[in-house]
Amino acid sequence: EAQVTQNPRYLITVTGKKLTVTCSQNMNHEYMSWYRQDPGLGLRQIYYSMNVEVTDKGDVPEGYKVSRKEKRNFPLILESPSPNQTSLYFCASSWGGAGDNEQFFGPGTRLTVL
Amino acid sequence: QQQVKQSPQSLIVQKGGISIINCAYENTAFDYFPWYQQFPGKGPALLIAIRPDVSEKKEGRFTISFNKSAKQFSLHIMDSQPGDSATYFCAAPPNDYKLSFGAGTTVTVRA
Repeated sequence: EAQVTQNPRYLITVTGKKLTVTCSQNMNHEYMSWYRQDPGLGLRQIYYSMNVEVTDKGDVPEGYKVSRKEKRNFPLILESPSPNQTSLYFCASSWGGAGDNEQFFGPGTRLTVL
Repeated sequence: QQQVKQSPQSLIVQKGGISIINCAYENTAFDYFPWYQQFPGKGPALLIAIRPDVSEKKEGRFTISFNKSAKQFSLHIMDSQPGDSATYFCAAPPNDYKLSFGAGTTVTVRA
């Protein structure tokens, strides 16, 4: 089944404790992206990757890191989480850039930072 | 930063009624305007998209209307059903690699 998977689905952590949210897709997509969803703000892009070893900032990159060492994986790293990073996170992938191609979203990761 | 303004924030419609969601954008690099549908506990999924060589696109009960001069586009859900209850996001691309999403509209269809 073609899909985007994320782990964990739910995470409660404390301020400053480094964490990684994994994202994997099995559709051989070139493009991958991370979004956060907050009430009243919609989906905001954090980082995106056009291909292996090629990443760039989205609209809200502060406090996040990403890497793209393999085509299928695009982990999101919070090195020192803060309460304002409490949010619902989505990974997405597509054949080409998000501006002109259907985005396939994962199921989401709900993160709470205490 | 691309701004996409979406309204209303929420709406309630009776079964069989029409739901209308409006979006306005500033500038786009490409003529590609998708709508995504999100059910509770799920990720968004593409519902319908328009590439405005046409001013309207219809897929089943869902229709996108596009007004390029006004930089506005809208989603119409005809004969709304309880299964249409979801959050809907419009989006516009500021460049090839990004999508800017609206804030979302929660649609509730009453049986």
